[in-house]
Amino acid sequence: KQEVTQIPAALSVPEGENLVLNCSFTDSAIYNLQWFRQDPGKGLTSLLLIQSSQREQTSGRLNASLDKSSGRSTLYIAASQPGDSATYLCAVNTGTASKLTFGTGTRLQVTL
Amino acid sequence: DAGVTQSPTHLIKTRGQHVTLRCSPISGHKSVSWYQQVLGQGPQFIFQYYEKEERGRGNFPDRFSARQFPNYSSELNVNALLLGDSALYLCASSLSAGTGLVALFFGSGTQLSVL
Repeated sequence: KQEVTQIPAALSVPEGENLVLNCSFTDSAIYNLQWFRQDPGKGLTSLLLIQSSQREQTSGRLNASLDKSSGRSTLYIAASQPGDSATYLCAVNTGTASKLTFGTGTRLQVTL
Repeated sequence: DAGVTQSPTHLIKTRGQHVTLRCSPISGHKSVSWYQQVLGQGPQFIFQYYEKEERGRGNFPDRFSARQFPNYSSELNVNALLLGDSALYLCASSLSAGTGLVALFFGSGTQLSVL
């Protein structure tokens, strides 16, 4: 059974800092890994999708890496801003239709 | 272009009642999936439908059912509501139902409170 763990559960950083969020998964036989952002009480916004054959994806200040063999992914956020405050979720797809397995998320707060 | 739309946004029910949640996928997307997110947890997969057929089911009781219509919209039905059914219900759509090579796009969810 695939299990996804995210560390840390919560993180508070001052504006401008670079930060790294971690995601680990137990079954390396994945098709892809997605990072999502969720604001309180809201739906999920897809940030980055990394296919299993890829090592990293970049979008603006965000960079996600994937090491499938070790079952790890990181989300790097450069020059954090207060608007980045949200919960970040990673999810893996092991090929069963659209069934994603999610971690419990990292709640990020960026302070002024 | 409209994204995934869900209705209603909020709902309050009492134990034992029935609820129907609705979802319209992104135009051109034929696959719809439903997820349940309990407060403080990651979303959990409930169902996936593609071309009106169930393609996947998570570990949820038979009180949960769903269907997809010819226009690819979908309904999630929950019977005999329990307090533990209180959660944010998320709908996601994707172009196809094949392997995990496609991205999922989520709606804003329906917040269900069972009293």
